[in-house]
Amino acid sequence: EIVLTQSPDTLSLSLGERATLSCRASQSVGSYFAWYRQKPGQPPSLLIYDASKRATGIPARFSGSGSGTDFTLTISSLEPEDFAVYYCQQYSNWLTFGGGTKVEI
Amino acid sequence: QVQLVQSGAEVKKPGASVKVSCKASGYNFTRYAIHWMRQAPGQRLEWMGWINGGNGHTKYSQNFQVRVTFTRDTSARTAYMEVSSLRSADTAVYYCARWAQQPHDYWGQGTPVTVSS
Repeated sequence: EIVLTQSPDTLSLSLGERATLSCRASQSVGSYFAWYRQKPGQPPSLLIYDASKRATGIPARFSGSGSGTDFTLTISSLEPEDFAVYYCQQYSNWLTFGGGTKVEI
Repeated sequence: QVQLVQSGAEVKKPGASVKVSCKASGYNFTRYAIHWMRQAPGQRLEWMGWINGGNGHTKYSQNFQVRVTFTRDTSARTAYMEVSSLRSADTAVYYCARWAQQPHDYWGQGTPVTVSS
């Protein structure tokens, strides 16, 4: 099973600041990689797929990069709705999720 | 618009079974797969597997292939996930999600399942 390790566990930032979240895979997943945002009491929602493609309706402040084993999600300027938990996911070999990064004020 | 609506919360005793439904609307149900995930308290999301909405073909994660069964009813546009021999470790929120041109682009609202004696 491919293990995804997210860092940091928690990111404390302010409105308008830039957020950089990381995810490392235990083996190469190519570009079969996605990022999700989960607000409290809601299901996750897709932000980025294929490592760098924004999902339908996702604003340009979200960007994804990386391939192989190291991936990054960047939020260029935090909005109130962005304070949430973010999960990475690989779908190269079955599917697995990372442990999550909480972005808090 | 695309919607996945899941059945309501369940409370079960250890050893019992639970069946969760996921009703789809707003798209051709037979065209895409429905995936199932669960999220136990304080734990990461776990992928359980998927069912093809058209031909009913299933794929189970190795962790779930013994006690979990996926089915679907195309006339009702509904997918089902059943877990048998429940134990306390199965206490979680269970989610269905569509896999179309983008992975898991629409999710159900989640069904909390509590296993307690």
